[in-house]
Amino acid sequence: AQRVTQPEKLLSVFKGAPVELKCNYSYSGSPELFWYVQYSRQRLQLLLRHISRESIKGFTADLNKGETSFHLKKPFAQEEDSAMYYCALIVGATNKLIFGTGTLLAVQP
Amino acid sequence: NAGVTQTPKFQVLKTGQSMTLQCAQDMNHEYMSWYRQDPGMGLRLIHYSVGAGITDQGEVPNGYNVSRSTTEDFPLRLLSAAPSQTSVYFCASSTLDSSGGYNEQFFGPGTRLTVL
Repeated sequence: AQRVTQPEKLLSVFKGAPVELKCNYSYSGSPELFWYVQYSRQRLQLLLRHISRESIKGFTADLNKGETSFHLKKPFAQEEDSAMYYCALIVGATNKLIFGTGTLLAVQP
Repeated sequence: NAGVTQTPKFQVLKTGQSMTLQCAQDMNHEYMSWYRQDPGMGLRLIHYSVGAGITDQGEVPNGYNVSRSTTEDFPLRLLSAAPSQTSVYFCASSTLDSSGGYNEQFFGPGTRLTVL
């Protein structure tokens, strides 16, 4: 069965500290993974996708098929990074997204 | 462009009542979907549509109906509301890649529904 697991409900770090939001997936096909972010009082929006291999707002994520992981990383956290982060997996060719349960990142000053 | 709009923003229902959550997009997107967001459970897909006249079930379709008579609108109907349907509902839309690839989904602001 397809599944996305985010083991941490809350991750609290201090400004300037490194951040790693964990995401593991279960999928028998070729995975396509994404990170979505929801800032306070804003809409859910796409942060990055693994196929683009890009860095957005200093965040990067590498797909590790051996460990079935897609962890989100940033070397130096900023207070404006505080938000809910969702890892998501596309299933099939129909644009269906399977979301993880989300991790709330709180960056303390 | 207004993007994806949802109405109402908030709604309180009594058990057994029915209602329709509205979703509209002005980006000419073929794909539209409904999710519910519950604490500790993330977002779960309720129903989705790949074009006018075509709908399909997601992970948690029971108790909900949808229709897609136009490209722009994708209403979600609660037939007989239950307390278990208390949640925040999000509508999303995207283009569809002709080769089956994924295109970014754009989300609405959400509707917070409470069923008493």
